[in-house]
Amino acid sequence: DTAVSQTPKYLVTQMGNDKSIKCEQNLGHDTMYWYKQDSKKFLKIMFSYNNKELIINETVPNRFSPKSPDKAHLNLHINSLELGDSAVYFCASSQDAGGNTIYFGEGSWLTVV
Amino acid sequence: RKEVEQDPGPFNVPEGATVAFNCTYSNSASQSFFWYRQDCRKEPKLLMSVYSSGNEDGRFTAQLNRASQYISLLIRDSKLSDSATYLCVVGFRGSADGLTFGKGTHLIIQP
Repeated sequence: DTAVSQTPKYLVTQMGNDKSIKCEQNLGHDTMYWYKQDSKKFLKIMFSYNNKELIINETVPNRFSPKSPDKAHLNLHINSLELGDSAVYFCASSQDAGGNTIYFGEGSWLTVV
Repeated sequence: RKEVEQDPGPFNVPEGATVAFNCTYSNSASQSFFWYRQDCRKEPKLLMSVYSSGNEDGRFTAQLNRASQYISLLIRDSKLSDSATYLCVVGFRGSADGLTFGKGTHLIIQP
């Protein structure tokens, strides 16, 4: 009965590859997010989706593209992976985009070699 | 620019002691405030919301000072299991920007 689930949990891949991380929430929330936590532990928002509309797109490379087939799913696709993309990527959701509590998935540990 | 700043620590505290840490936020329009807890190699989890009048949840007390733009967290009778990173979080109701996280304060409770 995991509220926010993401897969895979661990991913090791070579530079230049394309990879996707999937996320699903069963909380009935309207807003989903992707956060990145780097080696310095700083948690930074990448994207958010509200009712299938992209409402934030922070200054991330366009190699990163969020895809939301419905409001319960928000997948993250990354093209041409670089060493600097190594980080933990957290999917999250909230009731709406109004500064409410955010619930996180367990994280996906991406290592680019 | 929205920023949330915290002392990264680590704070090394003996078990049973009381520990407090603060964070400051730069945007006076901030309207929602939280403390999250993150254990090593885990996701952040909500510890407690912070209300204008201050609030308490067991051994944890949170305070908000809007005039000075800081939030505090007090932990009484600290337990070994309180060892974690505590993230100060700020949001804007009605905004599409989600929540802004501080870099966290690392707390280590020592036996």
